[in-house]
Amino acid sequence: GAGVSQSPSNKVTEKGKDVELRCDPISGHTALYWYRQSLGQGLEFLIYFQGNSAPDKSGLPSDRFSAERTGGSVSTLTIQRTQQEDSAVYLCASGPGRDYGYTFGSGTRLTVV
Amino acid sequence: KQEVTQIPAALSVPEGENLVLNCSFTDSAIYNLQWFRQDPGKGLTSLLLIQSSQREQTSGRLNASLDKSSGRSTLYIAASQPGDSATYLCVPNNNDMRFGAGTRLTVKP
Repeated sequence: GAGVSQSPSNKVTEKGKDVELRCDPISGHTALYWYRQSLGQGLEFLIYFQGNSAPDKSGLPSDRFSAERTGGSVSTLTIQRTQQEDSAVYLCASGPGRDYGYTFGSGTRLTVV
Repeated sequence: KQEVTQIPAALSVPEGENLVLNCSFTDSAIYNLQWFRQDPGKGLTSLLLIQSSQREQTSGRLNASLDKSSGRSTLYIAASQPGDSATYLCVPNNNDMRFGAGTRLTVKP
């Protein structure tokens, strides 16, 4: 596609439910990042995928958070047993390699009620 | 872990002023540095990308410089306009793409 696509754009879920957030990177981009941005705050790194290498999961805040990237393309961020503090905008970025810049999606706004 | 600091945290200027936003980072072993803007409630829009071998990049009224060895970059905005109001973020890329808090710019008509 022309850009990084994230779905859904908005998600409201009840506390304790599981949610899946999807990121479709630009075709051919080998690098993919997930970030979380709470209201009025900066971007918090969550996880980084690069090609077939093991992902850098050092930013995942708890074991309720997990992410996978199938076939080196689409990525899914899963949050289990959601809590109110998980409410935030989740942003995805992709890039073609280390010598190039990154393109961000429009994000998924998650609200846990 | 890369640490990014942006100064000032917030800036309010009248329309037409030239201004400079500063970015410093702790790990100078970077491939490139990218400047983004973020409008309230929106995603990030890329403004400029400077490769580690470059000293500066220009796009329209924007000019970004990079001094990799000292871990500094500046974004110069000429003849600011109200439409420039946004949060500006710099990201040094060394496969550890961490963000600072950014500079929140307000340009008053």
